[in-house]
Amino acid sequence: KAGVTQTPRYLIKTRGQQVTLSCSPISGHRSVSWYQQTPGQGLQFLFEYFSETQRNKGNFPGRFSGRQFSNSRSEMNVSTLELGDSALYLCASSSWGDYGYTFGSGTRLTVV
Amino acid sequence: AQKITQTQPGMFVQEKEAVTLDCTYDTSDPSYGLFWYKQPSSGEMIFLIYQGSYDQQNATEGRYSLNFQKARKSANLVISASQLGDSAMYFCAMREGGAQKLVFGQGTRLTINP
Repeated sequence: KAGVTQTPRYLIKTRGQQVTLSCSPISGHRSVSWYQQTPGQGLQFLFEYFSETQRNKGNFPGRFSGRQFSNSRSEMNVSTLELGDSALYLCASSSWGDYGYTFGSGTRLTVV
Repeated sequence: AQKITQTQPGMFVQEKEAVTLDCTYDTSDPSYGLFWYKQPSSGEMIFLIYQGSYDQQNATEGRYSLNFQKARKSANLVISASQLGDSAMYFCAMREGGAQKLVFGQGTRLTINP
């Protein structure tokens, strides 16, 4: 079966702009979570959605937001981009009752 | 407080040798799960192995095994007969109880030398 698909793979944005990243989970998976990976802070949890509802949120400013659609696809949005938002953004999906999380290949965002 | 600690920033191992990657964790929740992921330079996180806190046996998946010592709060990953393709970053992660998020360690960069 198809894995977790993240688009785009690479993105370059200018400070102050906004960006939207997309994640399509494995078919049948209803939970989607997002992580930010930077060299300095490592992997940090952003938020998790299940059946279009945000169940969990990490310690990030309100500029970071997300949503999930009825087909379980998820988007995350970062507004007013800062240089420090440059990172690899990873999305993971899981199924109810599963312990495993399957990650996508990530979107590498560079803010200049 | 840091919940997952990986004390080895980098490791260099000869091909075909076994390697142990260290991971200690901290939690007061009796129900938790421990994960190991591999991240090659391409960026994707590849699931390797899982250990539940109530599992009686150490988890094994092919060449990967998890040395779970609950009293010491350690969950070391053992890779037997290492291969050049094992060169990557390795992350230990934990999920507590019903929480729907993973907490990751800082990772260990493993390099396999021919």
